[in-house]
Amino acid sequence: DSGVTQTPKHLITATGQRVTLRCSPRSGDLSVYWYQQSLDQGLQFLIQYYNGEERAKGNILERFSAQQFPDLHSELNLSSLELGDSALYFCASSVGSSRAGELFFGEGSRLTVL
Amino acid sequence: AQSVAQPEDQVNVAEGNPLTVKCTYSVSGNPYLFWYVQYPNRGLQFLLKYITGDNLVKGSYGFEAEFNKSQTSFHLKKPSALVSDSALYFCAVRDIGGNFNKFYFGSGTKLNVKP
Repeated sequence: DSGVTQTPKHLITATGQRVTLRCSPRSGDLSVYWYQQSLDQGLQFLIQYYNGEERAKGNILERFSAQQFPDLHSELNLSSLELGDSALYFCASSVGSSRAGELFFGEGSRLTVL
Repeated sequence: AQSVAQPEDQVNVAEGNPLTVKCTYSVSGNPYLFWYVQYPNRGLQFLLKYITGDNLVKGSYGFEAEFNKSQTSFHLKKPSALVSDSALYFCAVRDIGGNFNKFYFGSGTKLNVKP
């Protein structure tokens, strides 16, 4: 158990809908990362927050947004969903203050768009 | 820009034989390198990292990795493979230049260990 909690584990929805994925980082970790893993593809970095502030942005679509709250949990909002958004979405956390720190991943939220 | 490459989509090895999963990197400056393993329908698990020091890094589950600066490689190794090692393996490098908050992952290598 990495200590990173993601909910929901599975989500099935229709095109055009909006969903919210939630992540609780490990106790003490200030940094949260979001990744997308599609079938036959590697990990695509979406966005990273540190202590409530956005610190790095990857290939995140404009239809997607995220935030980190004062209690350090994070939410990834996906709107106007398309079939191609079906994927496994991972949250990861790290202490954030050390450049040598590794990421700890949650079990992921599997999104299926029908 | 920082990047890692995993040249093999799949590696097949017999149980009991040594295994190697390859990773090469491209960074400006000294690299911070990581290996992760992903079992089916699970999140990625940290195996080991190289930050500085000894070129041979030991990690979880008997895995080790060898950092080779001249060849810009960080290959994952295990002396004797187990069927339970079958999984997807990712190499990653941390951007220590412009934005050390970024991690770059390779495309992954599927390891198949046959009994």
